[in-house]
Amino acid sequence: SAVISQKPSRDICQRGTSLTIQCQVDSQVTMMFWYRQQPGQSLTLIATANQGSEATYESGFVIDKFPISRPNLTFSTLTVSNMSPEDSSIYLCSVGVARDRNTGELFFGEGSRLTVL
Amino acid sequence: QQQVKQSPQSLIVQKGGISIINCAYENTAFDYFPWYQQFPGKGPALLIAIRPDVSEKKEGRFTISFNKSAKQFSLHIMDSQPGDSATYFCAASPRNIYNFNKFYFGSGTKLNVKP
Repeated sequence: SAVISQKPSRDICQRGTSLTIQCQVDSQVTMMFWYRQQPGQSLTLIATANQGSEATYESGFVIDKFPISRPNLTFSTLTVSNMSPEDSSIYLCSVGVARDRNTGELFFGEGSRLTVL
Repeated sequence: QQQVKQSPQSLIVQKGGISIINCAYENTAFDYFPWYQQFPGKGPALLIAIRPDVSEKKEGRFTISFNKSAKQFSLHIMDSQPGDSATYFCAASPRNIYNFNKFYFGSGTKLNVKP
């Protein structure tokens, strides 16, 4: 299993500012992901952040808006840049842990709830 | 295009009743079908998962039924309890479980179990 801690748990931000969300995992993991969950909606993958390589962004998400760092196997940050009210959402850090060659599990942090005014 | 379609959007069940949530998919490359449970203010947590080589998997009060030919799978919660009140997400991913970036989530079902 993996225990994931995210900071901040929630924040209220002003339009045009940037916020960095931190994700700490209690074990070394190769595969780390950042998801967005808008109120009452499903989970949308923003990017994959594997240590030692540049983050890979999904369609609709760009590095200038959501820069990601992955300095080691237990830590990552996601920055939401130049925020607008449309960025108000829950941002979830996730790690993938393979149990064997056929099964694996995604573990999620508790999320960072951002409100942009 | 939504890869996994989930219904209903919300569900109200009396305590002791059966909660049923349905999901459908089109991509035949999907080979792993987990269900996640999310309580308010928490991240999603894996509840139960199935692979298409079996038609049913049961863990306690939670059962996944899988219909490969219809490309549908469902979650059944027997003897539903107020503590089961949460949002449930189905998901699907293709073969090669290491492709965690290829998890596709349904839109979620908010379950409310009335005492």
